[in-house]
Amino acid sequence: GAVVSQHPSRVICKSGTSVKIECRSLDFQATTMFWYRQFPKQSLMLMATSNEGSKATYEQGVEKDKFLINHASLTLSTLTVTSAHPEDSSFYICSARMEDRSKNQPQHFGDGTRLSIL
Amino acid sequence: AQTVTQSQPEMSVQEAETVTLSCTYDTSESDYYLFWYKQPPSRQMILVIRQEAYKQQNATENRFSVNFQKAAKSFSLKISDSQLGDAAMYFCSYFGNEKLTFGTGTRLTIIP
Repeated sequence: GAVVSQHPSRVICKSGTSVKIECRSLDFQATTMFWYRQFPKQSLMLMATSNEGSKATYEQGVEKDKFLINHASLTLSTLTVTSAHPEDSSFYICSARMEDRSKNQPQHFGDGTRLSIL
Repeated sequence: AQTVTQSQPEMSVQEAETVTLSCTYDTSESDYYLFWYKQPPSRQMILVIRQEAYKQQNATENRFSVNFQKAAKSFSLKISDSQLGDAAMYFCSYFGNEKLTFGTGTRLTIIP
């Protein structure tokens, strides 16, 4: 089945550091990838939709200068949390959908990245 | 905007019994898709079952089945013969307008 690899799984860093998270579709091409944020005991909130070769579409309230998204190829999207602060600590999950435009293709999720900013 | 509501924050069921998780949604679209995802303590998101809105027949996947009531905008998940491995957070989700919207989740506990 479709596999999405997300790396790293855990990051602990000092305030002010920039952190890059990678999301790769291993066995399929994904023209669209999604980035979610999940606070403890809460649901997944869509942050942005990443389209290969074009600018990401951010959801309302998400700072595009804080959360930089790059989708350079059909199998890789990256999320960079710039100048991270403790309030950015969260669980970040990416997902990818197969190139088939059929809406019933489910999104396949990475295993998530737990980000802790000290 | 589409919204997904899960009114049961927590549910519990005896092992081998059947449990139903509720989900309602609100949309003005006619073409959309519905999913149930499972998130165990590992926090990995696992697809449980999917339903196309244009299909009247309820989807089934082994012990998992849905009761899809399009007019009522209801999409409940039934788990039969519950197993310990079914313990997890269950998220109902709606896919429309190129976005996947999640409900707030239901934490399912399996009682041995």
